Amino acid sequence: EVQLLESGGGLVQPGGSLRLSCAASGFIFSGYAMSWVRQAPGKGLEWVSGISGSGTVTYSADSLKGRFTISRDNSKNTLYLQMNSLRAEDTAIYYCTKDLAVPGSYFQRWGQGTLVTVSS
Amino acid sequence: EIVMTQSPATLSVSPGERATLSCRASQSITSNLAWYQQKPGQAPRLLIYAASTRATGIPGRFSGSGSGTEFTLTLSSLQSEDLAVYYCQQYHNWPITFGQGTRLEMK
Repeated sequence: EVQLLESGGGLVQPGGSLRLSCAASGFIFSGYAMSWVRQAPGKGLEWVSGISGSGTVTYSADSLKGRFTISRDNSKNTLYLQMNSLRAEDTAIYYCTKDLAVPGSYFQRWGQGTLVTVSS
Repeated sequence: EIVMTQSPATLSVSPGERATLSCRASQSITSNLAWYQQKPGQAPRLLIYAASTRATGIPGRFSGSGSGTEFTLTLSSLQSEDLAVYYCQQYHNWPITFGQGTRLEMK
């Protein structure tokens, strides 16, 4: 059974940094692209970033202006999102998703999410 | 960026009736469209991909149709467990974009 377990969320001050993790199990992790999708409180879904199965190809939303970096460690079956220079508008639930074999597809499976709150 | 527009924002349907949700893309996305269901307090769940293919385990009462810029998600007979927000998503071009969602309520 596919399982995606996010961690690392919490309260952080504006300008601070946070690293989210997503532990994956139940499938061949390196064979699939992965993504992060976020949802601000009471709002819709927003794609954040995606990465190929090998980790060599990444995509990120232009609106992030390079503040977030997606990466993965296939030896640990773990996806990461490094978030720097955090702003109040980054407050959201961050979901990890299992995609298809290549980036740029639909999101087959979703984790339960981890809440990031940016506030002083 | 491709803009996805869903309508209506809220849809009220009686139990057992048909519900029809619409999604429009600002330019052609051929059939590169997915639908998700999100129940309160839960993560989204994939319902439909490639505009009309049901994901594994999705009941037959859910169906998708359309291509190009106009898409529809139909629930043939509404059940109480279908109350949720439904999102469409295009994966034709980067960046991947979602519609703003349609909230499905019971009348």
